[in-house]
Amino acid sequence: EAQVTQNPRYLITVTGKKLTVTCSQNMNHEYMSWYRQDPGLGLRQIYYSMNVEVTDKGDVPEGYKVSRKEKRNFPLILESPSPNQTSLYFCASSFSALEGYTFGSGTRLTVV
Amino acid sequence: AQSVTQPDIHITVSEGASLELRCNYSYGATPYLFWYVQSPGQGLQLLLKYFSGDTLVQGIKGFEAEFKRSQSSFNLRKPSVHWSDAAEYFCAVAGTGGGNKLTFGTGTQLKVEL
Repeated sequence: EAQVTQNPRYLITVTGKKLTVTCSQNMNHEYMSWYRQDPGLGLRQIYYSMNVEVTDKGDVPEGYKVSRKEKRNFPLILESPSPNQTSLYFCASSFSALEGYTFGSGTRLTVV
Repeated sequence: AQSVTQPDIHITVSEGASLELRCNYSYGATPYLFWYVQSPGQGLQLLLKYFSGDTLVQGIKGFEAEFKRSQSSFNLRKPSVHWSDAAEYFCAVAGTGGGNKLTFGTGTQLKVEL
């Protein structure tokens, strides 16, 4: 089945403890992107990647890192999480964003 | 910069009634427009998309949307709503720069009364 897989689905962590949210797609998509969803703000892009080893900042990149060493994987790294990064995170992929993204099921992160 | 406005935060309709969700966009060139649906606890599912051509586009689950350039709108419609349509709906516009970024509206929460 064609899909974007994120792990974990739920995560509670403490301030400052490094964490990684994994994202993998099995559709051979070029484009991958991370979004965060907050009430009343919709979805905002954190980082995106147009191909392997090509990544760039979205609208809200502060406090996040990403890497794209392989086409299928696009992990999101929080080096020192803070409570304002408590949010619902979505990974998405596409052959071209102009075709519309396929989204993962989301990761609900709580930082205390 | 591209932007999307969804003026209705919440909408309640009766099952069987028609539905229209509003979306206005701002984009300098020909927009690429999308509607996504998010059911509780789920990711986003693409309902339909518009790139060019016929301004009335059909999507999944019986939804359609009409692109009106003069009004910068891309409203979503359904003739008869089912209880299972209760969800949050997001309109989005894609640009050709910045990794073809999707810019989302803030969403419209649809409640369906039985």
